[in-house]
Amino acid sequence: EAQVTQNPRYLITVTGKKLTVTCSQNMNHEYMSWYRQDPGLGLRQIYYSMNVEVTDKGDVPEGYKVSRKEKRNFPLILESPSPNQTSLYFCASSSLRGTYEQYFGPGTRLTVT
Amino acid sequence: RKEVEQDPGPFNVPEGATVAFNCTYSNSASQSFFWYRQDCRKEPKLLMSVYSSGNEDGRFTAQLNRASQYISLLIRDSKLSDSATYLCVVNKDDYKLSFGAGTTVTVRA
Repeated sequence: EAQVTQNPRYLITVTGKKLTVTCSQNMNHEYMSWYRQDPGLGLRQIYYSMNVEVTDKGDVPEGYKVSRKEKRNFPLILESPSPNQTSLYFCASSSLRGTYEQYFGPGTRLTVT
Repeated sequence: RKEVEQDPGPFNVPEGATVAFNCTYSNSASQSFFWYRQDCRKEPKLLMSVYSSGNEDGRFTAQLNRASQYISLLIRDSKLSDSATYLCVVNKDDYKLSFGAGTTVTVRA
């Protein structure tokens, strides 16, 4: 089954404790992206990657890091989480050929206290 | 000005009714337009792409007005299962997408 997976699905942590949210896709997509979704706001892009070892900032990259060492994986790293990073996070992937349709993971609900 | 703006609703409609709503976008160079559906903070899923000539998929009709920079979605014969938040999505450049905050539709029995 074609899918995007994220782990963990739910996470409660404390300020300053480094964490990683994993994202993996099995569709051989070149493009992967991380978004955060907050009430009243649309999905906002954090980082994206066009291919292995190619990453770039989205609209709200501050406080986040990513890496793309393998085509299927695109982890999101919060080196020193803060309460304003409490949000719902989605990973997405798409092919660079065709319609730009993005396939989303199930989401990670992060709470930073 | 937001890149994509939507009326948040909610639109409360009875089963069988027709409901329609728009979104406006600011980037006149945008080439690709989509409607995504999101259920209760789950992942967004593509509902339909929006083509220049307008397109229909069953009970759903999407229209694009480039001159006025808006797209619309119309749902006919609403079902309870149509209750969701509908996200308007527009490409910014290449493969980057801008998402509206969503329009909530609630269909009541």
